[in-house]
Amino acid sequence: QIQLVQSGADVKKPGASVRVSCQTSGYTFSNYALSWVRQAPGQGLEWMGWISAYNDDTNYAPKLRDRFTMTTDTSTNTAYMDLRGLRSDDTAVYYCARQGLGGQWLVLDYWGQGTLVTVSS
Amino acid sequence: DIQMTQSPSSLSASVGDRVTITCRASQGISNNLAWFQQRPGKAPKSLIYAASSLQSGVPSKFSGSGSGTDFTLTISSLQPEDFATYYCQQYNSFPLTFGGGTTVEV
Repeated sequence: QIQLVQSGADVKKPGASVRVSCQTSGYTFSNYALSWVRQAPGQGLEWMGWISAYNDDTNYAPKLRDRFTMTTDTSTNTAYMDLRGLRSDDTAVYYCARQGLGGQWLVLDYWGQGTLVTVSS
Repeated sequence: DIQMTQSPSSLSASVGDRVTITCRASQGISNNLAWFQQRPGKAPKSLIYAASSLQSGVPSKFSGSGSGTDFTLTISSLQPEDFATYYCQQYNSFPLTFGGGTTVEV
């Protein structure tokens, strides 16, 4: 079955960087794109960006573009996100989500379990 | 950015009730709309895409409708597992944006 398994919770100090991984299985990784979505405590969902595992095409949410990078490793079927210059308002659960194919290529159909990143001094 | 506005933000219902949630886009998005269910402490789950197409494995008590700017999600007969928060999301243009969520409570 299709699975997206994310790395564990992390605590960082303001100004630091964090990397979250998303290891996938159950489908052909390079045929799909993935999005990253975050959710601050008690808040709604915020889309951060997407990356194609086929050709590494990306699209970033404007508010995060300067601090956020997505990458993929097709040898391990894993996607990564890096967020730099962490602030307290970056405290959130971060999700990876697979996107669909064809006309539904922007549909987020399978999600990882989420990774809590806490930014605190 | 396209703003997605859901109403109500929360509602109280009982097992067996029929529930309707509304989502409005700040500009036309054709039928490029998805609905998600999120239970407390869990990841969102995809329910509907293309405004009215059910994801594989999602029970038919969930249905979606609408096009352009106005959309609805209907749950025909609420069961205990349906008490959750529901989000709409547009994928017509970047950045992708979500509604603020509707919490369905007992």
